[in-house]
Amino acid sequence: RKEVEQDPGPFNVPEGATVAFNCTYSNSASQSFFWYRQDCRKEPKLLMSVYSSGNEDGRFTAQLNRASQYISLLIRDSKLSDSATYLCVVRNQGGKLIFGQGTELSVKP
Amino acid sequence: GAVVSQHPSRVICKSGTSVKIECRSLDFQATTMFWYRQFPKKSLMLMATSNEGSKATYEQGVEKDKFLINHASLTLSTLTVTSAHPEDSSFYICSARDSDTQYFGPGTRLTVL
Repeated sequence: RKEVEQDPGPFNVPEGATVAFNCTYSNSASQSFFWYRQDCRKEPKLLMSVYSSGNEDGRFTAQLNRASQYISLLIRDSKLSDSATYLCVVRNQGGKLIFGQGTELSVKP
Repeated sequence: GAVVSQHPSRVICKSGTSVKIECRSLDFQATTMFWYRQFPKKSLMLMATSNEGSKATYEQGVEKDKFLINHASLTLSTLTVTSAHPEDSSFYICSARDSDTQYFGPGTRLTVL
């Protein structure tokens, strides 16, 4: 079983749609949780950290459920510029970042 | 904000040659840097953790004699792919940690002919 598993993609949505990504992790001792964004042929960039209390940054909302080892990302009012691959990332107790496979999002006009 | 640079951004080489990739933290000191590899449509996979002044720690399945890592200073780590073969063609990304945040370099795309 992979340490971090994400929804298979790609997600093709129209502009303005709301889209949700799901992620599960297998190691209950994982310490920190993140969503990264990766554009084609570029390095990943931190989108937001994820906390148990849930956190919001503009159109983006992230949630963490430690009991079920589940992480989500919600994008509201999606823009063309949101098209990218979204990576669910977990930091394990050794301090290493473990990446999910990523979910590709394509926002169409 | 913190910046991590990598050089070169792209390299094409013949099979059997060695390729060196540099990773620099530009405005902070990093005692620990990380090297990842990403194949097309796949996740980033951690190859090794580079520790300043000591030997790198390699992940299971990564050949330490093939992927030589040197972390000679607090701002520079190098990865050398020795005797590269076509199956080594990939996107190599380094990362450095500043406090609790990990920053990624822009990556090096290696193509071995």
